[in-house]
Amino acid sequence: ETGVTQTPRHLVMGMTNKKSLKCEQHLGHNAMYWYKQSAKKPLELMFVYSLEERVENNSVPSRFSPECPNSSHLFLHLHTLQPEDSALYLCASSRLFDDSYNSPLHFGNGTRLTVT
Amino acid sequence: SQQGEEDPQALSIQEGENATMNCSYKTSINNLQWYRQNSGRGLVHLILIRSNEREKHSGRLRVTLDTSKKSSSLLITASRAADTASYFCATEETSGSRLTFGEGTQLTVNP
Repeated sequence: ETGVTQTPRHLVMGMTNKKSLKCEQHLGHNAMYWYKQSAKKPLELMFVYSLEERVENNSVPSRFSPECPNSSHLFLHLHTLQPEDSALYLCASSRLFDDSYNSPLHFGNGTRLTVT
Repeated sequence: SQQGEEDPQALSIQEGENATMNCSYKTSINNLQWYRQNSGRGLVHLILIRSNEREKHSGRLRVTLDTSKKSSSLLITASRAADTASYFCATEETSGSRLTFGEGTQLTVNP
């Protein structure tokens, strides 16, 4: 058990569907992240919520929409996705200290998304 | 451009042998971290080495950092079949940007 729980573990959706990925952490961390992992590519940081501020990667398409209602929960809302969005979506959390030191990341086991 | 690059991309060894993986990066860093990922699972943090450290040990893991060459190595001694996984290096740049991961090394330890 990593302390970071992601649901669902697997998701198959059509291009016109709307779905949401959920992440929950019980580690008392104050920063949460969404990463995309595609085959043969480095992990791609999509979004960060750090000290209640959202930091975005400007290359992420608007069909991905994050939501962080509190420091323990993180969502990724998906709509009108493309087949190339099929990937493993990983949530992570960390503890960010006042001097900007960031503790190592704790990852969930991911949601394997397939867009048909 | 990619910050961290692991070498080799894939490594296959016999149980009991040592495994060495290398990571090169481009910019100044605060620290470098190694993570492990088993198939179908999330990444697990293994070890963190700061820019002012040269070597660090944790159990069967030994990490070195050479900031002049902008490179790091991860050594797993006396490997076990359970060590089979992908290993990633990640760098935290001094500019304060987030962790940047490499593409990983796929390690296979044959029993």
